Amino acid sequence: DIQLTQSPSTLSASVGDRVTITCRASETISSWLAWSQQKPGKPPKLLISDASTLESGVPSRFSGSGFGKEFTLTISSLQPDDFATYYCQQFDGYGWTFGQGTKVEIK
Amino acid sequence: QITLKESGPTLVKPTQTLTLTCSFSGFSLSTSGVGVGWIRQPPGKALEWLALIYWNNDKRYRPSLKNRLTIIKDTAKNQVVLTMTNMDPLDTATYYCAHGSTVHYAFDFWGPGTMVSVSS
Repeated sequence: DIQLTQSPSTLSASVGDRVTITCRASETISSWLAWSQQKPGKPPKLLISDASTLESGVPSRFSGSGFGKEFTLTISSLQPDDFATYYCQQFDGYGWTFGQGTKVEIK
Repeated sequence: QITLKESGPTLVKPTQTLTLTCSFSGFSLSTSGVGVGWIRQPPGKALEWLALIYWNNDKRYRPSLKNRLTIIKDTAKNQVVLTMTNMDPLDTATYYCAHGSTVHYAFDFWGPGTMVSVSS
């Protein structure tokens, strides 16, 4: 089974900071890598699919990149609405795997 | 506008079978490329994919839970049903259903989730 490891697990940052979250796969995966944002008591919201495609309506401060085993989610200028937990997920041709999540907290 | 909503019991006893229904609107499960999946999240923990059914009745299951899960669709009713047998307290979680497709292989629309507790 492919494992996804996100780093860091928790991130403390201030409004306006540039934030980068990394998702590392246990083996080379395709570009079917997505990023979602989840706030307490709410379902996840898809931000990015295909490693770098921004979903409709998602602010342009979010961006995704990477290939092979390492992928990143970048928030160029953190906004108050961005404090949440972020998950990467990948499709391996049969099913899906999620990372363990990265919580972005207010510094 | 795509919407999904989960329904089912909030409390089940150990060893019982859980049946959850996902009712959706705004898309059809007879449309090529469309799928509906189930994902769960234990309290304070990460998301875990469980199962997915495609428009063509192709079914995918989490390998470690394959023997306990069954997913079916009722295209006419716009519903997908997930059953999980032999429930255990470790299965306590919020269960989500979500829309997916073979375009991006990502879950792009989610239901609000339903909390299921397993306790005697």
